[in-house]
This record gives sequence, structure tokens and C-alpha cells, in this order.
Amino acid sequence: QKEVEQNSGPLSVPEGAIASLNCTYSDRGSQSFFWYRQYSGKSPELIMFIYSNGDKEDGRFTAQLNKASQYVSLLIRDSQPSDSATYLCAAPLYNNNDMRFGAGTRLTVKP
Amino acid sequence: DVKVTQSSRYLVKRTGEKVFLECVQDMDHENMFWYRQDPGLGLRLIYFSYDVKMKEKGDIPEGYSVSREKKERFSLILESASTNQTSMYLCASSVTNNEWYFGPGTRLTVT
Repeated sequence: QKEVEQNSGPLSVPEGAIASLNCTYSDRGSQSFFWYRQYSGKSPELIMFIYSNGDKEDGRFTAQLNKASQYVSLLIRDSQPSDSATYLCAAPLYNNNDMRFGAGTRLTVKP
Repeated sequence: DVKVTQSSRYLVKRTGEKVFLECVQDMDHENMFWYRQDPGLGLRLIYFSYDVKMKEKGDIPEGYSVSREKKERFSLILESASTNQTSMYLCASSVTNNEWYFGPGTRLTVT
């Protein structure tokens, strides 16, 4: 089993809809989780990180973490065409500074 | 702003050539990483370093070596480039798991 798994998509939503991106992880010791956005041909950029169970909101983005289920998600409200990108979920291995990435989910927001 | 720079955005090399990819960060980060990113495979860790002159193998170190003579600089070396090393190479640096920054990437083509 991969340490961090994502549905590779592609995921397509209409403009203005909610996009939901999901991620599961295998290391129960992981304490923090990160969502990166990567535009085609560019390097990943950090959007959000979350430590605690529950929701964390930042503008149109909400990260959700459920440690019991080893599940983390990213919701994008009022999706815009500029949100079209690949979204990477990442988690550091327990007691390690090495970050493990999912394969990414490609999101397309259609005008 | 943290800046992670990579020596080239695009590089074309011939099979068998020795290739140097350089990464420089300007925020005094201890940790530096080299990843490669391929469609469907996501980001895979090649090598990382927690300190000057220190290196650790990642998941796919074969065919690569690294050098870290100064804290700000982490070099990836392809001893004898092969076509299966055609990829996007991403350097990252971090202080803690909260602060993780990527360089712009080098797209290497080996012909």
C-alpha cells in the first residue's frame, strides 16, 4: 500500500460548484497533512496544512481531517477555472522529515 | 520570501553524459530534497540531506548521486544519463514539516 493515496481523477466540475478532493494515508503516526496545487509545467505550491481532526477553512478552501479513518480531504467552494490544476496531498512520515506525496488529482473547472 | 532556485528550467542531454542539476535555497534551511515527477507516478524521492556533507537515499536512488558541500546548495548528479531518467526534477527545502518549499523544477530530456 502506498503511504499516501489519491484518486487520480480527472475530476471535472462546473464553475461555481464545490470540488471535493480526497486522500488516504497509511502511517497512523503522521501528524500533519498538506495540500499542494500544481499548475501544468510548474512546481507545487502549498495551499493548506492541517493538524487537528475536523475542518480548517481558508477562504474558498476547507481541509478536513479524520485521523481515525486516516482520511484527509480538500473542498474548494465556488470553483473557478483558475482552480484547474493537479492537487497533491502530502504527509510527513512519523518521526521523519521526509514528505510523502500522493500521485495527485487533476481538477478541471469548466466555465 | 523563501527562494529555492534550480540551475536550469529545461535541459537536453545525450545518453551517457554526466549531468549536474543544482539547487540553491536562501533561507538557511537544514533539509533539502530531490524528487522526480512522472505522469501517473507522482513525486518520488531520490535523495535528501539534513545537513552539510550528509545524504540519505530516498526511494529511487539508483543512477543518481548527490553532493552537499554548502548548506544552501544541494546538487543532483546523473553519473551516466539514460533515457529512463527523462523527467521533471524538483528540489525542495524545509526547516520543519510546516515550511516546505519547492524550486521551479528542471525538465530534463535524455536522448
